[in-house]
Amino acid sequence: QSVLTQPPSVSGAPGQRVTISCTGSSSNIGAGYDVHWYQQLPGTAPKLLIYGNSNRPSGVPDRFSGSKSGTSASLAITGLQAEDEADYYCQSYDSSLSGSNYVFGTGTKVTVL
Amino acid sequence: QLQLQESGPGLVKPSETLSLTCTVSGGSISSSSYYWGWIRQPPGKGLEWIGSIYYSGSTYYNPSLKSRVTISVDTSKNQFSLKLSSVTAADTAVYYCARRSLGELSLSWFDPWGQGTLVTVSS
Repeated sequence: QSVLTQPPSVSGAPGQRVTISCTGSSSNIGAGYDVHWYQQLPGTAPKLLIYGNSNRPSGVPDRFSGSKSGTSASLAITGLQAEDEADYYCQSYDSSLSGSNYVFGTGTKVTVL
Repeated sequence: QLQLQESGPGLVKPSETLSLTCTVSGGSISSSSYYWGWIRQPPGKGLEWIGSIYYSGSTYYNPSLKSRVTISVDTSKNQFSLKLSSVTAADTAVYYCARRSLGELSLSWFDPWGQGTLVTVSS
């Protein structure tokens, strides 16, 4: 069971802006741990999209941006394109009484209308 | 360019041990300070981190799987491996290997990833 909650789906027309939320708690995002984002195109492995809350790896378009505040983080896609249709996952670190480990969000499917 | 490739049986019987290997190419598994990890994704579901290993053999595991997981490394072959014991249908998933980023453990991400391999647990 994921400890990071994302909306199951978001959609937008080409050119629009969409945002995906990632809600955690005081044992993960709220504890100050970084949030990272991955894009998973159909039938492929996840690909790093954003690291360290708001940094883009080389080759990732600046249409993608990330932010973090309190116990939540967000991924924004501006100028939505058909090729952005994919599943998106957030990832952070969780440390609680039951142990510590990397945790992923529940995933969000982005549909381009 | 660093590449990772998973290999192993695609079908495992219930109660048996799942064994997978990740072969790293385009770089040495022991020439830098990276950790290497396993992550899985049940069909149609989200991602779950299984565990990670350093080239020296130092490991850390997901507490929920720790009792059944063993990750090892073979630097001579530039490979690291996963063993998951006493499998059930709930362990059916695509298994990915990936490199964990440098730096502090709690701030790390995974990049790049292998293409993944589907393992089905069924009699």
